[in-house]
Amino acid sequence: GDSVTQMEGPVTLSEEAFLTINCTYTATGYPSLFWYVQYPGEGLQLLLKATKADDKGSNKGFEATYRKETTSFHLEKGSVQVSDSAVYFCALRQGSSNTGKLIFGQGTTLQVKP
Amino acid sequence: DAGVTQSPTHLIKTRGQQVTLRCSPKSGHDTVSWYQQALGQGPQFIFQYYEEEERQRGNFPDRFSGHQFPNYSSELNVNALLLGDSALYLCASSFPSGGAFLADTQYFGPGTRLTVL
Repeated sequence: GDSVTQMEGPVTLSEEAFLTINCTYTATGYPSLFWYVQYPGEGLQLLLKATKADDKGSNKGFEATYRKETTSFHLEKGSVQVSDSAVYFCALRQGSSNTGKLIFGQGTTLQVKP
Repeated sequence: DAGVTQSPTHLIKTRGQQVTLRCSPKSGHDTVSWYQQALGQGPQFIFQYYEEEERQRGNFPDRFSGHQFPNYSSELNVNALLLGDSALYLCASSFPSGGAFLADTQYFGPGTRLTVL
């Protein structure tokens, strides 16, 4: 079945460091790919998405490119801030409908120190 | 405009009991999905409701059931609770497709933390 694998955490960085969180997926066809972020005590928030190969999703300084050849959707940010500390989830959804179920990775905790 | 709301925030039950969790979707959303998030894990899809019917179901036993009301709000019921049912239960509602960035996605509520003793 479809699945998502993320790099193990926690990832600990100093403020203004470069961030990469790896995400790879296994799926048939052409799924849509997402990054969600979960701040302490809150629900998941959509960070960015890409719906087809070579699409680049971006938001709030974060970027991820849909790479079908490597089945990857790695999250990057050029300069992290303490406020970026959270748990990041990579997810996929089959089909184009907004009602398809999301399949999540296990999450990667990011800790940014001043 | 209120986002997705869930109640209660926290709940403690004992094994064998039954529990009902509630979700109100974001205004204008007609589809509600439920997810279970065990500690340290990613959310897992339980089921989805649309037009008061279960449209999709994940790999969860029949002890997990749900309902959607005419106002699109939803309930998740879990019978015969097990220790392994302890988790954060997330509700997500869907935005009608329309081409905007936040269309074609699911909005999540803050969750209900269920502890089974």
